[in-house]
Amino acid sequence: AAGVIQSPRHLIKEKRETATLKCYPIPRHDTVYWYQQGPGQDPQFLISFYEKMQSDKGSIPDRFSAQQFSDYHSELNMSSLELGDSALYFCASSYTGGNTDTQYFGPGTRLTVL
Amino acid sequence: DAKTTQPPSMDCAEGRAANLPCNHSTISGNEYVYWYRQIHSQGPQYIIHGLKNNETNEMASLIITEDRKSSTLILPHATLRDTAVYYCIVRPFYNQGGKLIFGQGTELSVKP
Repeated sequence: AAGVIQSPRHLIKEKRETATLKCYPIPRHDTVYWYQQGPGQDPQFLISFYEKMQSDKGSIPDRFSAQQFSDYHSELNMSSLELGDSALYFCASSYTGGNTDTQYFGPGTRLTVL
Repeated sequence: DAKTTQPPSMDCAEGRAANLPCNHSTISGNEYVYWYRQIHSQGPQYIIHGLKNNETNEMASLIITEDRKSSTLILPHATLRDTAVYYCIVRPFYNQGGKLIFGQGTELSVKP
């Protein structure tokens, strides 16, 4: 079965640079979620979109922004990168048309800020 | 904050059943119990969820107590590949775009 696709899988940036992470949800899924997992930590929710509108928001820095496009893919834009932004970034997707909206996760993007 | 409590670690012998407990004493009537696992640095993997009835799928069984204040995830025949961190999460039913709150989780080690 098709899964959530994330690109790139690995990204290395310098401090103060920008990064863009992409997420392609499972076909027919209409909601995407972004999570951040720092070293040795549990995944933390950043933001979600349902039908291209922001749905929920967590502890996402103001330096980060995200959007969901008409084809339901999503991009997480990160500016003025800091060393502390080094983490795994997971995207998940779900379909709200069924009787539950179970989230399915992608493989993640590992961001390293030097 | 996470609304669940899990033991930080457990061991299980390969081929035996792994029973992972979770306490969610403040669960609301409209909240489901979800289980995910994360194998080292991979994306969290959905396992199973339930409201009040016991549930079973190809991966595991979920036993929820009658008062819904606790549950147990059962992996019937654990293999080395089941070594992972297991997260028990409560979440409102059909919460469009609603987040999952990951707590500490249980680190399960399956040993030969």
